[in-house]
Amino acid sequence: EVQLVESGGGLVQPGRSLRLSCAASGFTFDDYAMHWVRQAPGKGLEWVSGISWNSGSIGYADSVKGRFTISRDNAKNSLYLQMNSLRAEDTALYYCAKESVAQRSYDAFDIWGQGTMVTVSS
Amino acid sequence: QSALTQPPSASGSPGQSVTISCTGTSSDVGGYNYVSWYQQHPGKAPKLMIYEVSKRPSGVPDRFSGSKSGNTASLTVSGLQAEDEADYYCSSYAGSNNPHVVFGGGTKLTVL
Repeated sequence: EVQLVESGGGLVQPGRSLRLSCAASGFTFDDYAMHWVRQAPGKGLEWVSGISWNSGSIGYADSVKGRFTISRDNAKNSLYLQMNSLRAEDTALYYCAKESVAQRSYDAFDIWGQGTMVTVSS
Repeated sequence: QSALTQPPSASGSPGQSVTISCTGTSSDVGGYNYVSWYQQHPGKAPKLMIYEVSKRPSGVPDRFSGSKSGNTASLTVSGLQAEDEADYYCSSYAGSNNPHVVFGGGTKLTVL
């Protein structure tokens, strides 16, 4: 079964850091680009960051550029998001999502995890 | 990186067809054939319904179809069923120098 499981969310104070992880299983992880998408409570989807299958192409939303860093470890079938200088507006459910077509980036996301909640508050 | 524009709501009766629009610019929707549509039921993760403007993933009913004209993409749901009631989001690649993806604000589809 193809599965993505996020972890690492929680309550954090403004200005602090948090690292999210996404464990992938059921598919050849290193063939696919991966993404983080977030959804603030009661709001719509916002793409946060994406990384190509070989880490050769990385992109960020303007809202997180310079504060967040995406990475992957293909040997561990894992995706990460290092979030620094967190703000209240970063409060959201963070989803890990798999690219739909092998060795293509920024196309469509066919598998999503259940998300991990990040709350930034003092 | 501006969000794509979707109507906040749409509705139709069972059996009818409804079309949801998604308007962007020549830098995203109009510039690439990488438009996708996602369905999200309350409390659930999004589900891919359409990719590359008009392609359906395996398992998605052919009642769902996508198209694009200029800077506007559309999702049509034919033969509306109660289970189609959900939020729908469009997205598009908006690449070049800084590769990224933009989502629409979402449309709440109500089956009357």
